[in-house]
Amino acid sequence: QKEVEQNSGPLSVPEGAIASLNCTYSDRGSQSFFWYRQYSGKSPELIMSIYSNGDKEDGRFTAQLNKASQYVSLLIRDSQPSDSATYLCAVKLTASSASKIIFGSGTRLSIRP
Amino acid sequence: GAGVSQSPRYKVAKRGQDVALRCDPISGHVSLFWYQQALGQGPEFLTYFQNEAQLDKSGLPSDRFFAERPEGSVSTLKIQRTQQEDSAVYLCASSLKKGTRDQPQHFGDGTRLSIL
Repeated sequence: QKEVEQNSGPLSVPEGAIASLNCTYSDRGSQSFFWYRQYSGKSPELIMSIYSNGDKEDGRFTAQLNKASQYVSLLIRDSQPSDSATYLCAVKLTASSASKIIFGSGTRLSIRP
Repeated sequence: GAGVSQSPRYKVAKRGQDVALRCDPISGHVSLFWYQQALGQGPEFLTYFQNEAQLDKSGLPSDRFFAERPEGSVSTLKIQRTQQEDSAVYLCASSLKKGTRDQPQHFGDGTRLSIL
């Protein structure tokens, strides 16, 4: 089992709809979770960080964390074509070194006009 | 500069040559990370520095890979006797000193390495 798992997609969502991206992780003790957006040929860009169970909202983005289920998700409301990118889930594993973060392989999101 | 700077942006080398990739982190960022990203995959952790100390090098794939950060700012990732499987994008990231929460990492644009 991979330490951080994501559906590779592509996930196709109509413009204006809600895009839902999911991620599961294996280390039950993990405390820090991040979502990055990566456009093709570009570097990852941090969108959200979340540390506590529940929801965290920032503009059109909402991160959801459920530590009991070892599940973290990202919701994008009012999806725009510019949201088309690969979304990377990243988790800091408690068994690792001070700041080692493990990335999932990413979910490709395509927003269709 | 305002962000993490990496050079060169592109590097082509023949198999067996040595290469050196440079990373200039955000000013004041204590932590520095190197990742390797293959096409269609997420970044894979290589190594981590806190100031000049290399605290974790567990992700370096072989002893051909070596990283240093002698003065706690600029870092160099060196790959000796390159192989075709070393072809990838090498990403550098930096973050503020860890406090009570892990600080998010800010990435450079990467170096795209192609081994012929």
